[in-house]
Amino acid sequence: DIQMTQSPSSLSASVGDRVTITCRASQDIRNFLAWYQQKPGKIPKLLIHAASTLLSGVPSRFSASGSGTDFTLTISSLQPEDFATYYCQKYNSSPITFGQGTRLEIK
Amino acid sequence: EVQVLESGGGLVQPGGSLRLSCAASGFTFSNYAMTWVRQSPGKGLEWVSGISGSDGSTYYADSVKGRFTISRDNSKSTLYLQMDSLRAEDTAIYHCAKVQGIAVTDAFDIWGQGTMVTVSS
Repeated sequence: DIQMTQSPSSLSASVGDRVTITCRASQDIRNFLAWYQQKPGKIPKLLIHAASTLLSGVPSRFSASGSGTDFTLTISSLQPEDFATYYCQKYNSSPITFGQGTRLEIK
Repeated sequence: EVQVLESGGGLVQPGGSLRLSCAASGFTFSNYAMTWVRQSPGKGLEWVSGISGSDGSTYYADSVKGRFTISRDNSKSTLYLQMDSLRAEDTAIYHCAKVQGIAVTDAFDIWGQGTMVTVSS
């Protein structure tokens, strides 16, 4: 099965910072990658699909890129509401797999 | 409003069974694949099972294969998860999620609040 590895596992940053989270697949998944945001006590929210396509309503400070095995999620200028846990997910085939998550905390 | 609402969780003994339901509304249920994702307290997301919207093909994580059965009733816009031979490690919040497309190979765009399943003696 394809494994998804996110890094870092946790990250401390300040409002206004630019942060990047990476996700690596153990095999080529083309662009079958999504990113989710989950705030404490809340359900996951789909931010990006097809590796780089933002969902309607997602702020433009979020961007993502990648194809094959290496992917990134970037937040250009952190806002207070962005502090959350972020998960990547590969969905090219079953089993569908999530990364272990990256917890983004306020410094 | 597009939404999904889970029910059926609870406390069950190891080896027991439970059936979860997920009522969908606000979209044409049969046109979309559906899936179950679980999250143990304080842990990450784990995909459990998915079912296509077309031919009803089913898919399972290795951790539940042979013990869980996913199904859907398009006439009732309802998704189910029959969970048998439950283990302590199945304890989690179980979320129902709508898949963006008719096949399970797509992202999950609508999530339910989840229903808690606790397996304990």
